[in-house]
Amino acid sequence: GAVVSQHPSRVICKSGTSVKIECRSLDFQATTMFWYRQFPKKSLMLMATSNEGSKATYEQGVEKDKFLINHASLTLSTLTVTSAHPEDSSFYICSAGGSSGYNEQFFGPGTRLTVL
Amino acid sequence: AQSVTQPDIHITVSEGASLELRCNYSYGATPYLFWYVQSPGQGLQLLLKYFSGDTLVQGIKGFEAEFKRSQSSFNLRKPSVHWSDAAEYFCAVGARAGKSTFGDGTTLTVKP
Repeated sequence: GAVVSQHPSRVICKSGTSVKIECRSLDFQATTMFWYRQFPKKSLMLMATSNEGSKATYEQGVEKDKFLINHASLTLSTLTVTSAHPEDSSFYICSAGGSSGYNEQFFGPGTRLTVL
Repeated sequence: AQSVTQPDIHITVSEGASLELRCNYSYGATPYLFWYVQSPGQGLQLLLKYFSGDTLVQGIKGFEAEFKRSQSSFNLRKPSVHWSDAAEYFCAVGARAGKSTFGDGTTLTVKP
């Protein structure tokens, strides 16, 4: 199957700093990537959909100025958490959509963000 | 609007016993249905998916799921559970537009 990587796998930062998370599709071109947030013992919450070369589409309630998404190429999307606060601590997961048209998604291994 | 319900928050089974995890969905058209497994601190791994055709779908690790349109269900089954199957399981429904809606997950504990 297709492989999606995320970097870093874990990050600890101080409150007020910004953190960038990378999501890469390693062996296929991803026209669409998705960013999810997962709280402990909870389901995945879709934050935004990013399409290569265009602005991301954010879900209701997600602050676009706080969670900056860039999808500059068909293999890379980045999520930047700006001015991070302790409540932003979470597990962030990306997925990449293939071109099959059937909504098949390949998930990255996730990034654990801890804001002190 | 699409939605997914996983009625069982937590299930405990003995190793070697059979398993069934329930999933009910609400969707306005032909659904694309998925089951994922997540181990602690890890991302999601696709177990199986249903797009069309045969309603009994075989997946990896000995899992299967049956799509029942009349019951709006897509239950996951395994005839004999192994200790390594202990994990969080998510059912999801997706649209061609590309968004998946996930259920709240079922935590599976396997007793020795």
